[in-house]
Amino acid sequence: QKEVEQDPGPLSVPEGAIVSLNCTYSNSAFQYFMWYRQYSRKGPELLMYTYSSGNKEDGRFTAQVDKSSKYISLFIRDSQPSDSATYLCALLSGGYNKLIFGAGTRLAVHP
Amino acid sequence: EPEVTQTPSHQVTQMGQEVILRCVPISNHLYFYWYRQILGQKVEFLVSFYNNEISEKSEIFDDQFSVERPDGSNFTLKIRSTKLEDSAMYFCASSEDGLAVGETQYFGPGTRLLVL
Repeated sequence: QKEVEQDPGPLSVPEGAIVSLNCTYSNSAFQYFMWYRQYSRKGPELLMYTYSSGNKEDGRFTAQVDKSSKYISLFIRDSQPSDSATYLCALLSGGYNKLIFGAGTRLAVHP
Repeated sequence: EPEVTQTPSHQVTQMGQEVILRCVPISNHLYFYWYRQILGQKVEFLVSFYNNEISEKSEIFDDQFSVERPDGSNFTLKIRSTKLEDSAMYFCASSEDGLAVGETQYFGPGTRLLVL
């Protein structure tokens, strides 16, 4: 079983739609959960960082963690064409600094 | 806003040659990392570095790889004898205090390495 599973998409939505991106993981040692955005041929850019179950909101972005189900989500409200990118979930075990990335979901928001 | 920088942006080399990829982490950061992303695949951890020592490394980071902080600002990844399968995007990252578990990592724009 892979440590982190993420549907690679692509996901295509119209401008203004609510987008839901998800990852599941198998190792309960993961305690820290990040979402990165990666534009084509660029480095990952940190969007959200959470460490507890529940929701964390930042503008149009909401990160949700359910540790009991080993399931994390990123919601994007009022999606914009500029949100078109690959979204990577990244997980970290306590006591370690090695980020484990999902495969990334490619999102296209069309006008 | 401070950012991680990397040079060169692109590097083409012949199989068997040595390459050095360079990074300038964010100035007050203490932990440094290298990751790589083979085209179409996941971002993979290679190595983390703190206090002039490797703190963790992956199975990928074998004897042909080495890292160094030659001065107060640069952090380098050396591949001694490149193989075709080393072709990838190499990302440098840094974090303010890796000892604070969960400290977030900030990534550079990457160096695209092509081994012919």
